[in-house]
Amino acid sequence: GAVVSQHPSWVICKSGTSVKIECRSLDFQATTMFWYRQFPKQSLMLMATSNEGSKATYEQGVEKDKFLINHASLTLSTLTVTSAHPEDSSFYICSAIDSVEQYFGPGTRLTVT
Amino acid sequence: QKEVEQDPGPLSVPEGAIVSLNCTYSNSAFQYFMWYRQYSRKGPELLMYTYSSGNKEDGRFTAQVDKSSKYISLFIRDSQPSDSATYLCAMSDDKIIFGKGTRLHILP
Repeated sequence: GAVVSQHPSWVICKSGTSVKIECRSLDFQATTMFWYRQFPKQSLMLMATSNEGSKATYEQGVEKDKFLINHASLTLSTLTVTSAHPEDSSFYICSAIDSVEQYFGPGTRLTVT
Repeated sequence: QKEVEQDPGPLSVPEGAIVSLNCTYSNSAFQYFMWYRQYSRKGPELLMYTYSSGNKEDGRFTAQVDKSSKYISLFIRDSQPSDSATYLCAMSDDKIIFGKGTRLHILP
């Protein structure tokens, strides 16, 4: 099946700094990628839809100036958490659609100290 | 009422037992129904994908959708310790909505 990778898998950063997370579709082109956030014992929450070559669409309540999404190519989308705070600590997962099915990346665990 | 309800568990069953996982939903517009398996500290992986009502079988896994009752199920036969994971249901019309996931423990 199709593979989606994420980098890094785990990151610790200090409060106030920015962190960039990469999402790559390894063997298919994805015009649309999604970014999710998962808090412990909670469901996956869609943060934004990333479209190649255009601005991302953010879900209600997600600050677009804080969570910067760039989808510069058909195989790469990046999520940058700017001025991170401890409450941003979470598991961030991206996914990409290959025709019908949605494939998830392995996730990135962000800890903000 | 939340759009998708799923019992978080944990659910512990002995190896070899039949496992039944369920979700209810409120939005009658949902057409696509999915089950994902998520191991600890990993991203979810798609297990089953069903369009509209009915049953779908894949090996030891059977997905069942009852749109009249707004109820979906995932059955796991001959459960194995390696099936221990969190199982998330998901459904969509134009946007995918996930349940919170049920933690399943298969006891050797």
